[in-house]
Amino acid sequence: GAGVSQSPSNKVTEKGKDVELRCDPISGHTALYWYRQSLGQGLEFLIYFQGNSAPDKSGLPSDRFSAERTGGSVSTLTIQRTQQEDSAVYLCASSLASDSPLHFGNGTRLTVT
Amino acid sequence: SQQGEEDPQALSIQEGENATMNCSYKTSINNLQWYRQNSGRGLVHLILIRSNEREKHSGRLRVTLDTSKKSSSLLITASRAADTASYFCATVNFNKFYFGSGTKLNVKP
Repeated sequence: GAGVSQSPSNKVTEKGKDVELRCDPISGHTALYWYRQSLGQGLEFLIYFQGNSAPDKSGLPSDRFSAERTGGSVSTLTIQRTQQEDSAVYLCASSLASDSPLHFGNGTRLTVT
Repeated sequence: SQQGEEDPQALSIQEGENATMNCSYKTSINNLQWYRQNSGRGLVHLILIRSNEREKHSGRLRVTLDTSKKSSSLLITASRAADTASYFCATVNFNKFYFGSGTKLNVKP
């Protein structure tokens, strides 16, 4: 079946603009995660959804970052007033249960100029 | 940090040799998972080992877990050029996944 799909794959935006990143998880996966990966680095946790609720938002770096998930499926990560330090690859992953293996999308590469 | 930390940061070997990567962590875990990432792609799950298991095999992969030392190792036997990638361990405690910064493996043909 289809894997995790993220769009857009690349996004270049000017500093100060808002961006929306989209994640389509695997059908039936109740858990959804967003991570951020800077060049050559590990993964920085941003937010975790179980169904439509987000019991763990502890990784969001500032109030410019928000995320939502609707219908227990698609999720959007919104970054307002983007800054250059927001430039990174944003990865989404979904799983069947909270400690099951994660299935990752290929990410959105965000460049803030 | 609660993250798993991989060692070494980079490893370069010849095709056919074995590659060993280590992961150390600090928290209690439900399980520990290893992932692989090719350049420009997302991570792909390789193998999961539960906290009550000591060793697990999958094809050319062998994973060990020592919960008393809070460490794990991933062995890739008879490496191939196609194994060139970054490898990450993830320590898992219920819904929390903690990833290290990875080991970059280069397998020379």
